[in-house]
Amino acid sequence: EPEVTQTPSHQVTQMGQEVILRCVPISNHLYFYWYRQILGQKVEFLVSFYNNEISEKSEIFDDQFSVERPDGSNFTLKIRSTKLEDSAMYFCASSELAPVKETQYFGPGTRLLVL
Amino acid sequence: DAKTTQPNSMESNEEEPVHLPCNHSTISGTDYIHWYRQLPSQGPEYVIHGLTSNVNNRMASLAIAEDRKSSTLILHRATLRDAAVYYCILRDSGAGSYQLTFGKGTKLSVIP
Repeated sequence: EPEVTQTPSHQVTQMGQEVILRCVPISNHLYFYWYRQILGQKVEFLVSFYNNEISEKSEIFDDQFSVERPDGSNFTLKIRSTKLEDSAMYFCASSELAPVKETQYFGPGTRLLVL
Repeated sequence: DAKTTQPNSMESNEEEPVHLPCNHSTISGTDYIHWYRQLPSQGPEYVIHGLTSNVNNRMASLAIAEDRKSSTLILHRATLRDAAVYYCILRDSGAGSYQLTFGKGTKLSVIP
């Protein structure tokens, strides 16, 4: 069964450093998403991406964050200057078509620790 | 999205049916009811969704009240692998929003 993959599974970085989290969505999917989950808290939406553009973003997704689909398979989340509070599990998801009725398929996540 | 209310936690014995309730008294006519679950240390996983009629799939059944103000996710025979946090999420087809809004969900424990 096709699945969303994410790399790396764990990332440790120093405060102020840039990190890039990578995702490979399911191949025929057109909508891509990033969510995060701070330890012990809810899963929070960050951003959705369709047709090479951001289609929706949350208040969390400020200027320090950016997303890109650099080629036909990868979808990346960049955090330009990490803060301690960026430590969280980051999940990538994808869906095939129109989002409301469609299932979002999540990857296993990248655990980011900012020291 | 309209608000949902779920119990914080529930327990079930292995191989017994489990009924996970969700209240959504402010649901609108265009809201779909989605259920996702999150197994320990994993990403969320789709379980089932519906609009008005009851739904069945290989994982679970979704029973929707006639007034749509509540719904119940039914796991017909709980296994240890079903121990997870279950999220009931409303998605408004008229809002044009792409995000899933997760609450705290119900943590299901399955007792061997």
